[in-house]
Amino acid sequence: ETGVTQTPRHLVMGMTNKKSLKCEQHLGHNAMYWYKQSAKKPLELMFVYNFKEQTENNSVPSRFSPECPNSSHLFLHLHTLQPEDSALYLCASSPEDRAHNEQFFGPGTRLTVL
Amino acid sequence: DQQVKQNSPSLSVQEGRISILNCDYTNSMFDYFLWYKKYPAEGPTFLISISSIKDKNEDGRFTVFLNKSAKHLSLHIVPSQPGDSAVYFCAASAIRNTGRRALTFGSGTRLQVQP
Repeated sequence: ETGVTQTPRHLVMGMTNKKSLKCEQHLGHNAMYWYKQSAKKPLELMFVYNFKEQTENNSVPSRFSPECPNSSHLFLHLHTLQPEDSALYLCASSPEDRAHNEQFFGPGTRLTVL
Repeated sequence: DQQVKQNSPSLSVQEGRISILNCDYTNSMFDYFLWYKKYPAEGPTFLISISSIKDKNEDGRFTVFLNKSAKHLSLHIVPSQPGDSAVYFCAASAIRNTGRRALTFGSGTRLQVQP
């Protein structure tokens, strides 16, 4: 238990569906991250939020829309996804995004797009 | 172009022996390096880190070595235990032009420790 939870753990959706992934951290951290992990590839950073402000968007397609209402919660809204978007989506948090802080990861959401 | 590379996708070691996991990087701006361990159905968990001003950091059975001139780091696990069987990710940190840090990950090495 790392103090970072993600729901749902598994999600199957069609290309026309709209769904959301949720992440919650109980560590009092101020930075939160979304990563994508495709099979046999490195974790790819998608978005970074620091004190609720988006500080990085790593050229992510607009069909992925993040939302950070407060420092403890992070959402990833999904719409009109493609089959190649099927992957493990990991959320992480750290005290903030300027120092040498290790990141604490949630268990991930395994997404399958049909 | 991958800036952090783990060229061995898998490694098998006997219990009690040493496991050596390797990682190479290309970006000289990386100044902090981390190793994460991942079990199936769980997120990566932080294992050990090293600053670029050091060449070795030790924590129990885990030691990380950094060779800056070769842009190479390695994780040594001695003695290896069956519970160490997992995927190990190397990650590197640099300050971006925004003044903020981000981690760049390798693709992972799956370690299997045989009883």
